[in-house]
Amino acid sequence: GDSVTQMEGPVTLSEEAFLTINCTYTATGYPSLFWYVQYPGEGLQLLLKATKADDKGSNKGFEATYRKETTSFHLEKGSVQVSDSAVYFCALSDGGNEKLTFGTGTRLTIIP
Amino acid sequence: DTAVSQTPKYLVTQMGNDKSIKCEQNLGHDTMYWYKQDSKKFLKIMFSYNNKELIINETVPNRFSPKSPDKAHLNLHINSLELGDSAVYFCASSQDRAVNQPQHFGDGTRLSIL
Repeated sequence: GDSVTQMEGPVTLSEEAFLTINCTYTATGYPSLFWYVQYPGEGLQLLLKATKADDKGSNKGFEATYRKETTSFHLEKGSVQVSDSAVYFCALSDGGNEKLTFGTGTRLTIIP
Repeated sequence: DTAVSQTPKYLVTQMGNDKSIKCEQNLGHDTMYWYKQDSKKFLKIMFSYNNKELIINETVPNRFSPKSPDKAHLNLHINSLELGDSAVYFCASSQDRAVNQPQHFGDGTRLSIL
């Protein structure tokens, strides 16, 4: 079945540091890939998505590239801010299942 | 205007009780979902409805019964609550069932069983 594996947290970085959160996936078809972010006490919000190989999703300074050859969708940001502190979820949606499969989430804390 | 709204935000109740959580979306979406998030933040889909029709029913105890009176609402009723039901329950919606459609989430209902 489909699965998403993402980097174990928690991750703590200083402001302006470079961020990478690794995500790899297993899917039977050609999935769409997503990153969602959950701020404390809130629901998940879509951060970015990519729907086919080599697509790059980007939003709010975050980027992720759909790499079919390595089945990866790593999240990156060049310079993080305190306001980026949240839990980040990698997810995939595969046509065969019609549902989102989430990774376990990575808690990110940015210290000033 | 809140796009996906759930009520109540917090629900504290005793084992054995029956409770309901309501969800409404004002986005005009066709598809709605219920997810359970456990204490380790792991999210798992429970149900999905498309235009009031059940399309996903994961391995969920039959104490959980979703109801969709119209495509803007998807309520979750839980009978005979157990300690293991303590979690945050999220409602979500998407434009349709297409795999590239993002989902919009409510703020969650934190259910605590005493």
